[in-house]
Amino acid sequence: NAGVTQTPKFQVLKTGQSMTLQCAQDMNHNSMYWYRQDPGMGLRLIYYSASEGTTDKGEVPNGYNVSRLNKREFSLRLESAAPSQTSVYFCASSAQAYNEQFFGPGTRLTVL
Amino acid sequence: AQSVSQHNHHVILSEAASLELGCNYSYGGTVNLFWYVQYPGQHLQLLLKYFSGDPLVKGIKGFEAEFIKSKFSFNLRKPSVQWSDTAEYFCAVNQYGGSQGNLIFGKGTKLSVKP
Repeated sequence: NAGVTQTPKFQVLKTGQSMTLQCAQDMNHNSMYWYRQDPGMGLRLIYYSASEGTTDKGEVPNGYNVSRLNKREFSLRLESAAPSQTSVYFCASSAQAYNEQFFGPGTRLTVL
Repeated sequence: AQSVSQHNHHVILSEAASLELGCNYSYGGTVNLFWYVQYPGQHLQLLLKYFSGDPLVKGIKGFEAEFIKSKFSFNLRKPSVQWSDTAEYFCAVNQYGGSQGNLIFGKGTKLSVKP
């Protein structure tokens, strides 16, 4: 039982490049989330998916898109990376909304 | 907008000292409350949670927190810290009626424990 897994662990992009961050959970959770963590800012929600087939914007959605591919997988795409998107990205899942969330190991992204 | 405030940015303690980290939130309705811990280079792990019932909740590794509804607070405590408690601690709240149960995080408190 791996919990929440994320790939890649590290990534360096040049401004304007695109990439997709992958997230999968094996806990049969309904809800999945993407956060970014910046020093002194805590975690801020980018997008979430309350259940399979639905996605909604969080606090900081600009410059990102998401896909809930199936119940297990929730990907985050940067279409045209900017230096302001340099951050650590965490995926999380929860059984239902309002339950505790379980976090993946994170992806450290640097945009040059 | 709802918010979560953690009063201390960085706390430095010696081993065996007592710890209390403050957390206040701004939402007046029904809330679920959480404390997460992030050890250096690792992901967030749940320390404890409060949904309902006894406002004094016990978590892992000797941590506890008290929910005081009248003060909108959920402070984290530990009677005697260890060097291994060095980490960043995040308070989080989700409110019923909010957007699908999203967690609102505080900005975190870094705890450094000197051996």
